[in-house]
Amino acid sequence: AQSVTQPDIHITVSEGASLELRCNYSYGATPYLFWYVQSPGQGLQLLLKYFSGDTLVQGIKGFEAEFKRSQSSFNLRKPSVHWSDAAEYFCAVGANYDMRFGAGTRLTVKP
Amino acid sequence: DVKVTQSSRYLVKRTGEKVFLECVQDMDHENMFWYRQDPGLGLRLIYFSYDVKMKEKGDIPEGYSVSREKKERFSLILESASTNQTSMYLCASRPTGGKNEQYFGPGTRLTVT
Repeated sequence: AQSVTQPDIHITVSEGASLELRCNYSYGATPYLFWYVQSPGQGLQLLLKYFSGDTLVQGIKGFEAEFKRSQSSFNLRKPSVHWSDAAEYFCAVGANYDMRFGAGTRLTVKP
Repeated sequence: DVKVTQSSRYLVKRTGEKVFLECVQDMDHENMFWYRQDPGLGLRLIYFSYDVKMKEKGDIPEGYSVSREKKERFSLILESASTNQTSMYLCASRPTGGKNEQYFGPGTRLTVT
């Protein structure tokens, strides 16, 4: 069965510092991978997605993610965090009607 | 832009009441989904629909039903609300095709007292 693990429940970084959010997945075939962001009181917004090809994908708001098949990981990165990046981030894997979401990582940004 | 709207942002209901959560999408997507979101559990799929009048159970369908009479509208029904159904409910839609992402509504925070 496919599953997604986000090991970090909560991360705090200083504004301007770099960020990496971890995501590990278990999937029986070539995965389709997604990162979503949820601002307080809002729905989920897609940051980026990976289907095939270049393992480093660029998304919106300056985010990128790297697919590493050997590690079953799809970590999200940003070189310099802004206060407006404070939100909850969800990694997801799957396709069609079977999408699995991680439990989420809450990001706090210190001034 | 795809727009998914949900009828209420906040809802307070009493135990035993019948509750309707409505979701409308404006992009002619074939597939629609209902999730509940709880802290530490992420999103869990309640039901999904791949066509009008078609529905499939997700991971946690107990206590819920759904209705899809029109392509753009997908309703979640709590036949007799219970306190353990207090949660955030998220609706999503997606066009057919495995590589397509889901588009989410803003969510309805339901409190059952």
